[in-house]
Amino acid sequence: SQTIHQWPATLVQPVGSPLSLECTVEGTSNPNLYWYRQAAGRGLQLLFYSVGIGQISSEVPQNLSASRPQDRQFILSSKKLLLSDSGFYLCAWSEWSEQYFGPGTRLTVT
Amino acid sequence: SQKIEQNSEALNIQEGKTATLTCNYTNYSPAYLQWYRQDPGRGPVFLLLIRENEKEKRKERLKVTFDTTLKQSLFHITASQPADSATYLCALGFSGGYNKLIFGAGTRLAVHP
Repeated sequence: SQTIHQWPATLVQPVGSPLSLECTVEGTSNPNLYWYRQAAGRGLQLLFYSVGIGQISSEVPQNLSASRPQDRQFILSSKKLLLSDSGFYLCAWSEWSEQYFGPGTRLTVT
Repeated sequence: SQKIEQNSEALNIQEGKTATLTCNYTNYSPAYLQWYRQDPGRGPVFLLLIRENEKEKRKERLKVTFDTTLKQSLFHITASQPADSATYLCALGFSGGYNKLIFGAGTRLAVHP
């Protein structure tokens, strides 16, 4: 069966520091991969999606970037965090229409 | 402008009753619509998908309707239980869009014993 992992689970980072969140998927090949951010009480905002290695599409211009160095690995990065980057970051994968989400990373920028 | 609207206020119902959640959208033409359940501090979990040419879909105690004329989906949980308490998100999907979804903000459901 397929599983999706995210780490770390929680992160507290100062403003201006770098960020790297990692997501890996097991049990499937060539999935579509997604990064979302969820602010408190808000819906999921799609940040990036990828249909293959090295193929990244950005949905919202911002302080973040994404990379897909391997088929089942998706990384979200920032060179310098802003206060507004705080939120709940979710990675998801899909093969068909439905998406399957990881456990999420709670990021607090102080 | 394009919007997806779900009841922003929490829905409180008694155990055993039917919960009905609403998802309305404006200026979108989705090919399908999905419903997800999200528990606090966890990622959403897929529940049901309904396509634009389907009126109704059922899965155990769950029922979803999709009215493309009204631009509305209704999500029903029959014989609700306290374990059904969670936030429910609707999401619009589009053909040819690499399975991209646009999510509503969700409705929090509380089922009281």
